[in-house]
Amino acid sequence: KAGVTQTPRYLIKTRGQQVTLSCSPISGHRSVSWYQQTPGQGLQFLFEYFSETQRNKGNFPGRFSGRQFSNSRSEMNVSTLELGDSALYLCASSLSPPGPVGLVEQYFGPGTRLTVT
Amino acid sequence: TQLLEQSPQFLSIQEGENLTVYCNSSSVFSSLQWYRQEPGEGPVLLVTVVTGGEVKKLKRLTFQFGDARKDSSLHITAAQPGDTGLYLCAGARSNYQLIWGAGTKLIIKP
Repeated sequence: KAGVTQTPRYLIKTRGQQVTLSCSPISGHRSVSWYQQTPGQGLQFLFEYFSETQRNKGNFPGRFSGRQFSNSRSEMNVSTLELGDSALYLCASSLSPPGPVGLVEQYFGPGTRLTVT
Repeated sequence: TQLLEQSPQFLSIQEGENLTVYCNSSSVFSSLQWYRQEPGEGPVLLVTVVTGGEVKKLKRLTFQFGDARKDSSLHITAAQPGDTGLYLCAGARSNYQLIWGAGTKLIIKP
């Protein structure tokens, strides 16, 4: 069974540009979450999608957006990139229907390393 | 503000030694998870603890959830190079969001 895949794996962008990251969940998984990981800060929750609907959103500015398609694949977009957006962006999928997140097993992809110069 | 403090931030020890890493907060969590992340990979779930005082064992790894559900520890016995990685704890304060620690980077030297 293939794991969570994320594309691209590495990306270098310039301040002010926008970027779109893609995530394909494990087959059969309908819930997809996005996280930003930076050294010293741990993982910060961006948003979660289930059946094409955004269920929850973290405390990030509106420049960060996402969507989920009918096949459960998800994309996140960051507009007007800032230097501080440089990070590893992780996508996680889970099989369970919406429920207490602390009891759900999430499967993470390898991430997309975004560098903003 | 880091709601979950992990310590130490970095640990480098010899193969065969024992170690403990900590995950502390002033907040109560309904559950807490431990993950291990290796370079170039995403985190992988090791264990979920739910009940205050709960102890779970996974081979040489022992996880404990504090009685007040505000802290947790991970103890590794006879560490091996394969245990090398970034250990992350994540606590659930609501039904939909996990609060993550910054991680403990562990290196086991052969």
